Amino acid sequence: EDQVTQSPEALRLQEGESSSLNCSYTVSGLRGLFWYRQDPGKGPEFLFTLYSAGEEKEKERLKATLTKKESFLHITAPKPEDSATYLCAVQARGGSNYKLTFGKGTLLTVNP
Amino acid sequence: EPEVTQTPSHQVTQMGQEVILRCVPISNHLYFYWYRQILGQKVEFLVSFYNNEISEKSEIFDDQFSVERPDGSNFTLKIRSTKLEDSAMYFCASSLTGAGANVLTFGAGSRLTVL
Repeated sequence: EDQVTQSPEALRLQEGESSSLNCSYTVSGLRGLFWYRQDPGKGPEFLFTLYSAGEEKEKERLKATLTKKESFLHITAPKPEDSATYLCAVQARGGSNYKLTFGKGTLLTVNP
Repeated sequence: EPEVTQTPSHQVTQMGQEVILRCVPISNHLYFYWYRQILGQKVEFLVSFYNNEISEKSEIFDDQFSVERPDGSNFTLKIRSTKLEDSAMYFCASSLTGAGANVLTFGAGSRLTVL
């Protein structure tokens, strides 16, 4: 069974204080690893897809990296508007093209 | 930017009642999904739908659940006889392709409260 574990569950940062979120996964062949952002009362909003170990993607203050067992979401000099829950999800190879298995997320709070 | 639209945003119902949640996926997308998120828990896959049939469903998606694409734009989730444990946020999503690692676009969700 595919599993995704995210840590920490919650993270408080001061504005400008860089940090990283972790996503550990076990999957029977990775098709893709996804990062989504979720604001309170809203649906997940797509950020990145990573396909293979060593891959990195960046968007503004966010950078996602991938190894064979985990992914990191690095946040550089965060701003209060980066406050949200960050969700990691995996899609397995060989099975359905469609099912995403999500972690519980990391609730990030950035204080001004 | 194209978006997935869901209605209602919040529905309160009595246990045993039927509920229909509605979604308008992105117009050129071909694959449609329902996920749910019980308060404080993970987002969980329910069902995927392509070419007017279910592609895959989870063990959660039992006989009480059904999906339909009644016309060219709507995609619905029906819960036949709601239970207390069906209380959750239900998210509709769509994607252009199912091939490879497809990117799902999610709607804002419909919050279902079963009393």
